[in-house]
Amino acid sequence: KAGVTQTPRYLIKTRGQQVTLSCSPISGHRSVSWYQQTPGQGLQFLFEYFSETQRNKGNFPGRFSGRQFSNSRSEMNVSTLELGDSALYLCASSPGTVGEADTQYFGPGTRLTVL
Amino acid sequence: QKEVEQDPGPLSVPEGAIVSLNCTYSNSAFQYFMWYRQYSRKGPELLMYTYSSGNKEDGRFTAQVDKSSKYISLFIRDSQPSDSATYLCAMNAGSYIPTFGRGTSLIVHP
Repeated sequence: KAGVTQTPRYLIKTRGQQVTLSCSPISGHRSVSWYQQTPGQGLQFLFEYFSETQRNKGNFPGRFSGRQFSNSRSEMNVSTLELGDSALYLCASSPGTVGEADTQYFGPGTRLTVL
Repeated sequence: QKEVEQDPGPLSVPEGAIVSLNCTYSNSAFQYFMWYRQYSRKGPELLMYTYSSGNKEDGRFTAQVDKSSKYISLFIRDSQPSDSATYLCAMNAGSYIPTFGRGTSLIVHP
């Protein structure tokens, strides 16, 4: 099976701009989660989508949003970029099995630099 | 206090050493425990997955869970320079989103 893919791998933006990141999960996986990883804060959960619905949400401002399509592919959008948004953005997919811990498989990440 | 505590290191060991990586946690509801390895500029890769207390072995890797002490460990035997990476522990209580430790940086020098 192909792994989780993320595009683009690298992005450079300026403050105030917006950005859209894309994630294609492992075939058959219905859950997609997004994380922000920085040296200072580690891995922080942004949100999780399952069957096109946001099922869980972390403590990030409304500038961070996402969506999931019927083929389980997901996009994440950050509007009005700030310098502090510079980070590695990771997507993780999992089967989304109800009632069990879902093991997450990560993509390579998108490294966003905000200037 | 964070729910999951993990020493960031770096932990530097010579090739061939036995490495012990650890996490402590405060949420007694956690029952699923995972270890991920993350190489520089890559996404985390799932190494081990355990449920409940006890040991689980996979090649050179052994995951150990002590729920009474709220303490988990990952042991790496015969460590290799290729094991140099950041190791993240993760755990959850049966919900969909795991809680991650900050990661421990491991350096295995030849």
